[in-house]
Amino acid sequence: KAGVTQTPRYLIKTRGQQVTLSCSPISGHRSVSWYQQTPGQGLQFLFEYFSETQRNKGNFPGRFSGRQFSNSRSEMNVSTLELGDSALYLCASSLVWANEKLFFGSGTQLSVL
Amino acid sequence: AQTVTQSQPEMSVQEAETVTLSCTYDTSESDYYLFWYKQPPSRQMILVIRQEAYKQQNATENRFSVNFQKAAKSFSLKISDSQLGDAAMYFCAYRSASADKLIFGTGTRLQVFP
Repeated sequence: KAGVTQTPRYLIKTRGQQVTLSCSPISGHRSVSWYQQTPGQGLQFLFEYFSETQRNKGNFPGRFSGRQFSNSRSEMNVSTLELGDSALYLCASSLVWANEKLFFGSGTQLSVL
Repeated sequence: AQTVTQSQPEMSVQEAETVTLSCTYDTSESDYYLFWYKQPPSRQMILVIRQEAYKQQNATENRFSVNFQKAAKSFSLKISDSQLGDAAMYFCAYRSASADKLIFGTGTRLQVFP
């Protein structure tokens, strides 16, 4: 069974641009959550989706948004990029919502210049 | 608000030896889960071990075991017979039984020397 797949692996953008990151969960998993990892702030929860509905959102500005499709694939969008958005964005999937067994992908490394 | 603290930014161990990574947490809840995740250079977070707060017995997974002290809010990870492949960042994480997000500690970088 394939693991959680995140694309692309690396991204370089400039300030003011927008970016879309993609996450394909493990087959059969219906919940997808996103985390931001930075050297300064560590790992922080962004949001979680289950059955195409956002179930929970972390403390991030409205520039960060996401969505989940009917096949459980999820996308995360960041608009008007700032230098501080440079981070590793990790996606995790689980079988159902609020399930404690999370399986992570290898992340997308975003660099904002 | 719940917090997770890892007071050891870096640890090192000799191959085949035992090392213990520390983690403390703060919560007012009684029902929760605790985790140790490993993040190698590949960046993928890999679940090492999981502990349910209502279970008194410490979790064990092969060479990995925890010392869960609920009253002290302590959750340390012991790695026995350390291997070179154990070298990675290790994150302690907390999750309330009623919530759906993980709260991570700042991580401990483990180096394993031959």
